[in-house]
Amino acid sequence: EDQVTQSPEALRLQEGESSSLNCSYTVSGLRGLFWYRQDPGKGPEFLFTLYSAGEEKEKERLKATLTKKESFLHITAPKPEDSATYLCAVQVGGAQKLVFGQGTRLTINP
Amino acid sequence: ETGVTQTPRHLVMGMTNKKSLKCEQHLGHNAMYWYKQSAKKPLELMFVYSLEERVENNSVPSRFSPECPNSSHLFLHLHTLQPEDSALYLCASSQDVQRDGRAYEQYFGPGTRLTVT
Repeated sequence: EDQVTQSPEALRLQEGESSSLNCSYTVSGLRGLFWYRQDPGKGPEFLFTLYSAGEEKEKERLKATLTKKESFLHITAPKPEDSATYLCAVQVGGAQKLVFGQGTRLTINP
Repeated sequence: ETGVTQTPRHLVMGMTNKKSLKCEQHLGHNAMYWYKQSAKKPLELMFVYSLEERVENNSVPSRFSPECPNSSHLFLHLHTLQPEDSALYLCASSQDVQRDGRAYEQYFGPGTRLTVT
């Protein structure tokens, strides 16, 4: 069964304190790994797509990387507005659904 | 309007009511999706449509009935729901469904917060 596990469940950082969120997956035939940001009461906002091991994507303070077993979302010098739940999802060959992890709730204190 | 819009944003309904959720995408996409997000659980796919044709139904109870009249609009008709159906219902769209190994990112609407009393 395809599984996605995110860690930690919750992370509290001080403003400017860099860290990484982890998304590990056990799937057969990965076609894409997606990162989303979700604010309370809102729909997920698309951040990145990664297709193959070794790929990296960057956007402002965020950088996503992918290996054959996991993906990391690195947050450099975060600001309070980066506080949100970050979701990881995978799509496997032959299936239309995204399999989501439980998310990491990130809080950045000023 | 831009992106994916959903109405209503909040809905309270009794177990014997019939209501509908509406989704519209302004992105020119071919595929649309319904997801359910319950507290403490990952997002769960309910239905997938490609150019108005349903291509996937993930064992969803018949009290949820989707309708896709065209590639820009998607509805979810609700009847005789249960309290455990209370959740955030999210609509999403993507350029296409997965074909030939190519996966497309999905763009989500703001969701409808449904409470069944």
